[in-house]
Amino acid sequence: DGGITQSPKYLFRKEGQNVTLSCEQNLNHDAMYWYRQDPGQGLRLIYYSQIVNDFQKGDIAEGYSVSREKKESFPLTVTSAQKNPTAFYLCASSISPGTSRDQPQHFGDGTRLSIL
Amino acid sequence: QKEVEQNSGPLSVPEGAIASLNCTYSDRGSQSFFWYRQYSGKSPELIMSIYSNGDKEDGRFTAQLNKASQYVSLLIRDSQPSDSATYLCAVPGSSASKIIFGSGTRLSIRP
Repeated sequence: DGGITQSPKYLFRKEGQNVTLSCEQNLNHDAMYWYRQDPGQGLRLIYYSQIVNDFQKGDIAEGYSVSREKKESFPLTVTSAQKNPTAFYLCASSISPGTSRDQPQHFGDGTRLSIL
Repeated sequence: QKEVEQNSGPLSVPEGAIASLNCTYSDRGSQSFFWYRQYSGKSPELIMSIYSNGDKEDGRFTAQLNKASQYVSLLIRDSQPSDSATYLCAVPGSSASKIIFGSGTRLSIRP
């Protein structure tokens, strides 16, 4: 069954600690995305990647880092520089942006990050 | 002006009635429009895509697009308590592969 797998479901971060959120997809999608959602709020784009070994900053990239070494994987690191990391983190993917019609994004189940 | 605007609600609709959710967007060049449903504590789920002016029906859901007015709506017929969720409107952004999400309308179906 194709889909997007995010792990872990829940994560706790101590002060000064970096943590990495995993996102894996087996949909053969080229583009992948990371969003942050705060309670009662909309989605805010952190980073996105259209192809392997390339990624762009979204609207709120400060305090976060990503890598895209494989098509299937797009891990997000929340660094100690992100002072307010408590949020629901969502990974999404979509078919190549090169198609003639914009394609929707499909989401994983999310990771809930809290500060200890 | 925000690129994608939705009324945050909550919108309260009696069970069995039609729920009407609205979305306006600012980019006249937008060609694709998506509706997502997000239950509390869960991730968004794609429920409708619409690319052409007019109506698109899928079961109890109908998406309506009016490009001249830059307006897209979602109608839910015979509303059920299980339809209670936040509905997100999404429109592709100016940069390749980015999608702009509205802040969502919270829908509550009362028995």
